[in-house]
This record gives sequence, C-alpha cells and structure tokens, in this order.
Amino acid sequence: GAVVSQHPSWVICKSGTSVKIECRSLDFQATTMFWYRQFPKKSLMLMATSNEGSKATYEQGVEKDKFLINHASLTLSTLTVTSAHPEDSSFYICSAKPRDEKLFFGSGTQLSVL
Amino acid sequence: QKEVEQDPGPLSVPEGAIVSLNCTYSNSAFQYFMWYRQYSRKGPELLMYTYSSGNKEDGRFTAQVDKSSKYISLFIRDSQPSDSATYLCAMSPKAAGNKLTFGGGTRVLVKP
Repeated sequence: GAVVSQHPSWVICKSGTSVKIECRSLDFQATTMFWYRQFPKKSLMLMATSNEGSKATYEQGVEKDKFLINHASLTLSTLTVTSAHPEDSSFYICSAKPRDEKLFFGSGTQLSVL
Repeated sequence: QKEVEQDPGPLSVPEGAIVSLNCTYSNSAFQYFMWYRQYSRKGPELLMYTYSSGNKEDGRFTAQVDKSSKYISLFIRDSQPSDSATYLCAMSPKAAGNKLTFGGGTRVLVKP
C-alpha cells in the first residue's frame, strides 16, 4: 500500500509555543490530505481538508487561526498548532490518498503541552 | 444519535477464535465502507475496503455490507494475539471525496 509519513511521532512543548507537524506522501502525489485529531479511547475527528495550492477547508468548530495548515507541494502538508495550550494535547493524524479510492494514514503525532 | 455506531468493547476472545465486529449507520448516502486496525499510539491501517452491499474476503478477514439494514461486519478467522488492537469502521458517500465518518472503534483482545 501507499506510504504516508508523519513527523514527529511525539512532541512535548511549553504552553504558548507553536508546534509544526509534517505529513508526507512518500510514493505518490496527493492533491488532498486530511488532518484528524484523536482523544484517548475515542475515534478520529476530522479537523480539516488540506488542498495543494489553496486554502484548507476546516470542519465546524475548528479554529483556523489555531491550527494552521499549509499544503505547499503535492507530497507535503503541515499542521502548525499555534500558541499551544494544555487542552491542545492530543494525538494528531494525517491521511492522504493516491489516485484510487483508498485513504492511507500517517503514524500519528502525540502532542503534549505542558 | 451518531451517524456511525460501534460497540467500544473490549471484546476478549481466545486465540484461534473468530472475532466478529460490526457497525450500524444512519446515513443512507454511504456507499464506501472500510475497516481499519489501529494499534495504540499508531495511525490506522487499512484492512478492508468495500463498495456497496456484499461480501469481500482477504486472507483471514471477511467484510460484509448490508445496505438494506445499514449494517456492516468484519470477521477475523483464526485470531492471533497480534490481532489485539482497536478496529475502526469508516464510511464515505463517495470515493473521490474521502471525508470519512468513523465509528468509535472496538477494542479487541486476543488471549493466547
């Protein structure tokens, strides 16, 4: 299957700082990538759809200025959590799909804000 | 009512048993159905992908879709301890969009 690489796998930061998470499609080009958030023992909640060369589409209730998404190339999307606070601590997962219909996920990033 | 309902478990079975998982949904527009396996602190891994109603088999895994009942199932034969994970169902109204709606996940524990 297709490979989606996500980095870092975990990050600890101080409250008020910003954190950037990268999502790369390693063996295919992805015009669209998706960012999810997952709380412990809960399912994935879609945060936003990242579109190459244009603005991301955010789901209802997700703060655009808090979660900045940049999809500068066909193989890279980044999610920046700005001015992070403890309530932003969560597991963030990206996904992307090749030309066929199947969606593949990255390995996730555990963010802990102190 | 959630769009996709899935029993959270945990579901505990002895090694070698059949694991039976299912999801119900309310949105009749869903056409594409997927099952993902997720280990703790890892991203979901696609196991099965089906379109519309019917059965699909892949190795030890069998996925069933019954659109008339809005019910999907995943069966794992000859379960192994390595199958212990959380299993998530997901569905989408169309393939191209791929905005998936997930079930809450079922935690499975296969005991040796």
